[in-house]
Amino acid sequence: ILNVEQSPQSLHVQEGDSTNFTCSFPSSNFYALHWYRWETAKSPEALFVMTLNGDEKKKGRISATLNTKEGYSYLYIKGSQPEDSATYLCAFSGTSYGKLTFGQGTILTVHP
Amino acid sequence: DAMVIQNPRYQVTQFGKPVTLSCSQTLNHNVMYWYQQKSSQAPKLLFHYYDKDFNNEADTPDNFQSRRPNTSFCFLDIRSPGLGDAAMYLCATSTTSGRGAYNEQFFGPGTRLTVL
Repeated sequence: ILNVEQSPQSLHVQEGDSTNFTCSFPSSNFYALHWYRWETAKSPEALFVMTLNGDEKKKGRISATLNTKEGYSYLYIKGSQPEDSATYLCAFSGTSYGKLTFGQGTILTVHP
Repeated sequence: DAMVIQNPRYQVTQFGKPVTLSCSQTLNHNVMYWYQQKSSQAPKLLFHYYDKDFNNEADTPDNFQSRRPNTSFCFLDIRSPGLGDAAMYLCATSTTSGRGAYNEQFFGPGTRLTVL
């Protein structure tokens, strides 16, 4: 059984705060690590797909890093805004054949 | 915009009464997936179709079946829903690369199933 763990489970921050959360995954048989943002009543939206150890990806105020040797990825949000409020899911892929194993998500609430 | 559509968004059924959830896509992707997410848990893959080929996960209960009549549509059938089947059901699609690797998945908004 693959274990993908996210922490914290939930997070409340004030507008303007920077924040980060963690995804840990098996360090063997790594193929890709995905981050998704899932806003209430909407579809999960892909943020990043990361495949190489040491990868750093950035989209606006959101960035992510990847360490495949130790099995973790960090997601950072700089200057959080209320519209960043969502559940952030990471998903591990151990093969090229489609199956994603998800973490349980981090629920982020940004208070104005 | 090309997208993955799920209908209905909310479905209520009775214990033991068969129910079908629908997914359609305008992306023309060859792979379609069904995930189940119970409250505060990780989404869990139930099965996927690679073109017409059905791929069941080993731990998916027999109560869950799927049909894919064409590229655009995929259905999730729950033959006899139990209280434990109440969950969010997510449909996703992807393409495959020339070497058969599965690419990024695109999700629908989900159907929340309530079983009374």
